[in-house]
Order: sequence, then C-alpha cells, then structure tokens
Amino acid sequence: EDQVTQSPEALRLQEGESSSLNCSYTVSGLRGLFWYRQDPGKGPEFLFTLYSAGEEKEKERLKATLTKKESFLHITAPKPEDSATYLCAVQTEYNFNKFYFGSGTKLNVKP
Amino acid sequence: DARVTQTPRHKVTEMGQEVTMRCQPILGHNTVFWYRQTMMQGLELLAYFRNRAPLDDSGMPKDRFSAEMPDATLATLKIQPSEPRDSAVYFCASGLVGHTEAFFGQGTRLTVV
Repeated sequence: EDQVTQSPEALRLQEGESSSLNCSYTVSGLRGLFWYRQDPGKGPEFLFTLYSAGEEKEKERLKATLTKKESFLHITAPKPEDSATYLCAVQTEYNFNKFYFGSGTKLNVKP
Repeated sequence: DARVTQTPRHKVTEMGQEVTMRCQPILGHNTVFWYRQTMMQGLELLAYFRNRAPLDDSGMPKDRFSAEMPDATLATLKIQPSEPRDSAVYFCASGLVGHTEAFFGQGTRLTVV
C-alpha cells in the first residue's frame, strides 16, 4: 500500500536553530515528491518538486533533498515567519492523478 | 496575480441541506483537483478533472457528492444531502498537464450542524 509518513508531527525551534523535517514514503514507482507549506486558514503553497534520488532544491532558508526512501526539508537559521505546517506529497508513475499527502509537520519558530 | 479562487470561504448549514462550492481555476490551467482536509484524515483527493472531463472521482462518496466543470473557468462540488461528517475544509487546486505542481485555493470551510 502506498504510504507517506511525516515526522515529527510538531517541531518547536528557536530563531536561528537549524533542523530537518522528514518525509518517508513507500510507493510503487515514484514519479515525483512535492513539498508544500500551509499557513493557518490558507491552502497549501507549492515549494519544491523532486524527481530522483540525489536531487536537491533550495529556496531561501529551505533545502529539500531526496533519497530512494525519504525526503528531508532542511531549514537553516529559521525565522518566525517560517512557522507553518509543511506537507509532503508523492505522485506515482502508475496514477498521475493521485497525490498522496502526508499528515504534515507543524513548525513553530520562536523569536 | 494568478490564483485559484474558491467561494464561499465559509459555509454553515443544517444537516440535510444541499451545499455547493465553487472554484475558479487559474486561467489556462487544464487540470482541476478537489481535496478535503480534516484533522483526522489530512488531505484526501476527492475528484480530478482534465480538460473539464472527470478522470478520477474514486475518493468521493458517490451517493451524496457530485463534481462538475460546466466550463473551463468554473468547477463545482455539490453535497446533497449534507451530513455532519462532511464538515471539513474543501480545497480546489489547478495545474497544467505535464507539470506536476498544483496550485491551491484558499479553501471553503464547511460546517454541517
């Protein structure tokens, strides 16, 4: 069964304290892995797509990496405005329609 | 500023009433998704359209839910009759065939009492 698991469920950091969020997946044939950011009361906002193991993408303080079984979202020197829920989703080769979303990691960055 | 627009943003209704949610996808996008988000289940795909044709609605309770795209600028999700367990935030997202990212609207928060 295709599954996406995110950890931790919640993460509290001090401003400037770097850390990583994890997204592990078990799917038959990965086409793409996506990271989204969701602020309270809003829809998910697209951040990155990763297609193959070893690939990395960066945007400001965020860097996403991909292996054959998991993806990491590294947050370097976070700021309070980085506080949000971070969602990952996978798309499989045999069903482009479906994006399997994880339950998310709620990040809180304290000033 | 291109974005997906959903209406209404909030809806409170009584059990048994019909609910219609509307979505205007980003101009030029040819794929539309409907998702439901709850604390317990997270984001679940309800339906998927490509070029206005429904390709996948396996995630949708068929007896009470229906999704349509009357034209390229409007997608609708209807619930009839509504039940308290339908309370959730419903998101519409749009994208382009061949591109993998989807762009989400702000959502409709539905409360069925």
